Amino acid sequence: QVQLVQSGAEVKKPGAAVKVSCKASSYTFTNFDISWVRQAPGQGLEWMGWISTKNGNTNYAQKVKDRVTMTTDTSTSVAYMELRSLRSDDTAIYYCARAVAGGTYPRDFDYWGQGTLVTVSS
Amino acid sequence: QSVVTQPPSASGTPGQTVTISCSGGSSNIGSNPVNWYQQLPGSAPKLLIYATSYRPSGVPDRFSGSKSGTSASLAISGLRSEEEGDYYCAAWDASLNGWVFGGGTKLTVL
Repeated sequence: QVQLVQSGAEVKKPGAAVKVSCKASSYTFTNFDISWVRQAPGQGLEWMGWISTKNGNTNYAQKVKDRVTMTTDTSTSVAYMELRSLRSDDTAIYYCARAVAGGTYPRDFDYWGQGTLVTVSS
Repeated sequence: QSVVTQPPSASGTPGQTVTISCSGGSSNIGSNPVNWYQQLPGSAPKLLIYATSYRPSGVPDRFSGSKSGTSASLAISGLRSEEEGDYYCAAWDASLNGWVFGGGTKLTVL
């Protein structure tokens, strides 16, 4: 069965960076893109961006585009999301999701990782 | 404030039909398909409806989606207690060049 397994919880200080990993299994990694979505405590879902696993092209949400980098390692089927210059309002659960191709943008996110809690606190 | 809005809460009794609405604009729902995600307490979101009205394999046909103009709806018939949780709509926004999620609707099964 398709699985996306994310790295463990992180606690970071303001101004630091965090890198979350997402290991895919049971499907051909390069046949689907990866998107990242976050959820602040008690809040809704916020799309952060997506990366093409075929060519590494990225599309970032305006809100985080200056601080985020998404990458993949196709040899190990792992996707990464690095967020820099962390602030307290970056405290959230970060999810990776498999993105089904839909043309110019993903059609939907059909499988999700279990989430990684990132806490930003001094 | 999200560009796509949902009522914060909805409720129903077991067996009832509940409808959750999702309102957007011409750059998102008005011109692109809508997806719905279910998030049960303590769990990751799960795809419930894609491309406005299609169900992924394994999703019961009690769940249905529709769209009219710049609004979309999710209907759940034969409501079950285990379906209590949060429901989110999402659409691609051509102006923002990104996905936008509704604020989510908390469904309570009375």
